[in-house]
Amino acid sequence: GNSVTQMEGPVTLSEEAFLTINCTYTATGYPSLFWYVQYPGEGLQLLLKATKADDKGSNKGFEATYRKETTSFHLEKGSVQVSDSAVYFCALIINTGTASKLTFGTGTRLQVTL
Amino acid sequence: SAVISQKPSRDICQRGTSLTIQCQVDSQVTMMFWYRQQPGQSLTLIATANQGSEATYESGFVIDKFPISRPNLTFSTLTVSNMSPEDSSIYLCSVGAPTQAFFGQGTRLTVV
Repeated sequence: GNSVTQMEGPVTLSEEAFLTINCTYTATGYPSLFWYVQYPGEGLQLLLKATKADDKGSNKGFEATYRKETTSFHLEKGSVQVSDSAVYFCALIINTGTASKLTFGTGTRLQVTL
Repeated sequence: SAVISQKPSRDICQRGTSLTIQCQVDSQVTMMFWYRQQPGQSLTLIATANQGSEATYESGFVIDKFPISRPNLTFSTLTVSNMSPEDSSIYLCSVGAPTQAFFGQGTRLTVV
């Protein structure tokens, strides 16, 4: 089956530190990969995505590269801010040509302090 | 893209009662998905709702507990029946495309 494995949280960083949240996947087909973010008390927002190998998704200073050889999609940001404190979910969809369900990782809570 | 409206946004319910959550999409879609996010947990798919057919439930979820309606291509409801405190969660409606997924804002349910 399909699965997504994320690094355990919480991750606590000082403002302006470098962030990496690891995500690896197993998939029976050819997945598209996503990072979603959930700020405290809010709904789920798409942060970035990549639909094929070697694609780099980016948004709000966050980046992730689709690495087929290592089945990974690690999230990175060069300098985090307090406002980045949230829960981050890695997820995948198998492209079947029609709408399909998302498979989510367990989420990683990021806490950024001054 | 798709804009999804969910109602209610939150509710506090007594145990043993039922709550129906509505999901409205601004475009016609074949498949709609209902997810649950228990406190501090990730999202788990409850069921997939196709217009004109019975919903398909994931392992651990049953129709008697989570009946779903899909009367047309832009609307669906999820009912949480005979609620207990363990049903306290965020329930999310989602629609998708082959390489994309869109979510409503969710319904935050607290059962007391």
